[in-house]
Amino acid sequence: EAGVAQSPRYKIIEKRQSVAFWCNPISGHATLYWYQQILGQGPKLLIQFQNNGVVDDSQLPKDRFSAERLKGVDSTLKIQPAKLEDSAVYLCASSLDLDPRMNTEAFFGQGTRLTVV
Amino acid sequence: AQSVTQLGSHVSVSEGALVLLRCNYSSSVPPYLFWYVQYPNQGLQLLLKYTSAATLVKGINGFEAEFKKSETSFHLTKPSAHMSDAAEYFCAVSRMDSSYKLIFGSGTRLLVRP
Repeated sequence: EAGVAQSPRYKIIEKRQSVAFWCNPISGHATLYWYQQILGQGPKLLIQFQNNGVVDDSQLPKDRFSAERLKGVDSTLKIQPAKLEDSAVYLCASSLDLDPRMNTEAFFGQGTRLTVV
Repeated sequence: AQSVTQLGSHVSVSEGALVLLRCNYSSSVPPYLFWYVQYPNQGLQLLLKYTSAATLVKGINGFEAEFKKSETSFHLTKPSAHMSDAAEYFCAVSRMDSSYKLIFGSGTRLLVRP
């Protein structure tokens, strides 16, 4: 089965520019996650979708970050304008179901490494 | 609030030696706990998870972890390290609410010496 696809793999932009990342989850997975992983830290959840509805976006900096999941399939994460501290790897993940007891797991893409200069 | 603490940002072992990566959690209710592995330039891969069934959980690649409520710990072990085990390991706890949000520790980098 195909895994979670993310693009681009790498992106370098200047501060105050905008950038967008794309994620295509595993087919049939209802839950989609975007994580931010700053160098030397664990991933931090930015936003979680169940189908095309937002379940949790409490740690999404909404003044500059936005995300959408149209039609409940693929998703885009946008940053506008970017700051130096946004330099990180942005990971997308998907799972069949929210509940870990349903014997599902979150599958992660390879991530997009963003460098803001 | 739930959180996890991973003791030791780097752990170095010899090939064939025991691997022990430590994780302590903080939770007001019984949590779900996870260990993920991340190889360079890769996404995270689930090693094992605890969801309130057996306290000793066996995962992939010979890893296992034991949930100890009295010690609020979920340490990851492997009897004999292989060179291929060199990677970064993350412990995570899941919130017991409608989102089951994963909260990750800061990670432990495992180095395996020949």
